[in-house]
Amino acid sequence: GAVVSQHPSWVICKSGTSVKIECRSLDFQATTMFWYRQFPKQSLMLMATSNEGSKATYEQGVEKDKFLINHASLTLSTLTVTSAHPEDSSFYICSARDQGTGLEEQYFGPGTRLTVT
Amino acid sequence: AQSVTQPDIHITVSEGASLELRCNYSYGATPYLFWYVQSPGQGLQLLLKYFSGDTLVQGIKGFEAEFKRSQSSFNLRKPSVHWSDAAEYFCAVGANTDKLIFGTGTRLQVFP
Repeated sequence: GAVVSQHPSWVICKSGTSVKIECRSLDFQATTMFWYRQFPKQSLMLMATSNEGSKATYEQGVEKDKFLINHASLTLSTLTVTSAHPEDSSFYICSARDQGTGLEEQYFGPGTRLTVT
Repeated sequence: AQSVTQPDIHITVSEGASLELRCNYSYGATPYLFWYVQSPGQGLQLLLKYFSGDTLVQGIKGFEAEFKRSQSSFNLRKPSVHWSDAAEYFCAVGANTDKLIFGTGTRLQVFP
């Protein structure tokens, strides 16, 4: 149980275009979802936290107009990188948490590698 | 400032040998502490966590970790490493289970 999927697993896009990454909780209701960014040989950095039906809360330094997060349902959150630039190339990881389980544990997706050319 | 330090970027051990991965943290209050493992193509998997109580916690896959408040450490151990343990290991800390601060990770390589 507690599986989180991400789609696509990798994507290449041209500079200036937008790309959407999906994060789905497959067997539980994700009341809260998190988006992380991981640079090579570096740790995961939390970008934003989203609660279903609410606006996302962005961490300091993360441009909310560039990284659009939507958490419209209890099983799906999307991250849209708008007007992507090569410096946005990174590994994006989502995680989901179900407050109803009482376990308060984040379950992580496998990540999406974004390359902007 | 809140931070997590994993001093060892890369560790190589022989299969069957014991393992200890180091994690030190800087945090203003008693933190929640976690160890995750990341295998290629897979999401981070929680190995174990410490919230309170017994400072020696047991996790999955034969891993354990000990919280030492005086040393601000939460080192991960395994008495006998298997080849399948080769992966990237991350230590994380947080005030709860939401805003986790991750270390830079330790890559474990296991030789037969």
